Amino acid sequence: KAGVTQTPRYLIKTRGQQVTLSCSPISGHRSVSWYQQTPGQGLQFLFEYFSETQRNKGNFPGRFSGRQFSNSRSEMNVSTLELGDSALYLCASSRKVGASPLHFGNGTRLTVT
Amino acid sequence: GNSVTQMEGPVTLSEEAFLTINCTYTATGYPSLFWYVQYPGEGLQLLLKATKADDKGSNKGFEATYRKETTSFHLEKGSVQVSDSAVYFCALSDTEGNNDMRFGAGTRLTVKP
Repeated sequence: KAGVTQTPRYLIKTRGQQVTLSCSPISGHRSVSWYQQTPGQGLQFLFEYFSETQRNKGNFPGRFSGRQFSNSRSEMNVSTLELGDSALYLCASSRKVGASPLHFGNGTRLTVT
Repeated sequence: GNSVTQMEGPVTLSEEAFLTINCTYTATGYPSLFWYVQYPGEGLQLLLKATKADDKGSNKGFEATYRKETTSFHLEKGSVQVSDSAVYFCALSDTEGNNDMRFGAGTRLTVKP
């Protein structure tokens, strides 16, 4: 069974640009969550989607947004990039929400210059 | 709110040494507890989990027991190998129906031959 697939693996953008990251969950998983990982802040929850609906959102500004498609694939978008947005963005899928272990992709490394 | 506190690293051990990584949590209700491992350049992989008090999760020689009385979920392994070198994250999941998992800061383990 294929794991969680994130594309692209690496991105370099300049301040002020926007970026879209993509995530394909494990087949049969309907919940997709996004996390930001930085050396200073560790792993921080961005948002979670289940059946195309945002179920929960972390404490990030409105520049961070996401969506989920009918096939459970998800995208997240960051607009007006700032230097502090440089991070590893991890996508995770699970069969259901609540106490269900997350299965993570290898992440997208975003560098903002 | 819910939170996880992990012992700070880095931890350096010799092969076949005993490993303990401490993890304590703060949560309302009855969360599920997890240990994840992250190898260089990869996302997080679920190592083990426990969903209720006194449960013991185990995998690949690692184990952790959900202790409600001490709000702890310490990770142990009797004999570490060089291949266990990675970053270990303790995490909790609110069972109320979302995947907003709270992660500890991570503990980097290096095992020397």
